[in-house]
Amino acid sequence: GQNIDQPTEMTATEGAIVQINCTYQTSGFNGLFWYQQHAGEAPTFLSYNVLDGLEEKGRFSSFLSRSKGYSYLLLKELQMKDSASYLCALSGGYNKLIFGAGTRLAVHP
Amino acid sequence: IAGITQAPTSQILAAGRRMTLRCTQDMRHNAMYWYRQDLGLGLRLIHYSNTAGTTGKGEVPDGYSVSRANTDDFPLTLASAVPSQTSVYFCASSDSTWGGLFFGPGTRLTVL
Repeated sequence: GQNIDQPTEMTATEGAIVQINCTYQTSGFNGLFWYQQHAGEAPTFLSYNVLDGLEEKGRFSSFLSRSKGYSYLLLKELQMKDSASYLCALSGGYNKLIFGAGTRLAVHP
Repeated sequence: IAGITQAPTSQILAAGRRMTLRCTQDMRHNAMYWYRQDLGLGLRLIHYSNTAGTTGKGEVPDGYSVSRANTDDFPLTLASAVPSQTSVYFCASSDSTWGGLFFGPGTRLTVL
């Protein structure tokens, strides 16, 4: 199986940095995805890691360590609009994504 | 249209009724997927299709069926709805060269 664990909720302050962790147990996967989902909306793609290491995209970065079964999403210079759920997902065969339950992030002024 | 559309946006359905959720994409993506999203459980894969004419079962396929007659359309049918199928349903498609999913806006279904 592919048990994917994320914290259920996190809070942070506007302008700060927050790290959302994702751990997993799986025998193999193609890549690891992070999606953002605002309340009442569809998930939208944020980042994708195939190789170990850090992928940076503006204020958002994602890290993957296959040997440790661990990924994180780093959000810098937090803005109120970053309040959303963040979904970690593993890509298996035929591009099927298996999602974790998601982390709900609340950004406060 | 551009992207993925789903219909209806929301629906209230009596238990035992048959219901088809529609999904259409215009990106010419080969692969399409149906997920349901429930509080605390996240997105779970119901069925998928790698290309027109083929379908496969995901994590939670029981009570659902799909068809893929052409590239653009991927309807999801509940043959006899039950209250546990109350959920938000998302259709998605994928460019197989990349693997990431593009999601439709979702259908909120309530089965009473």
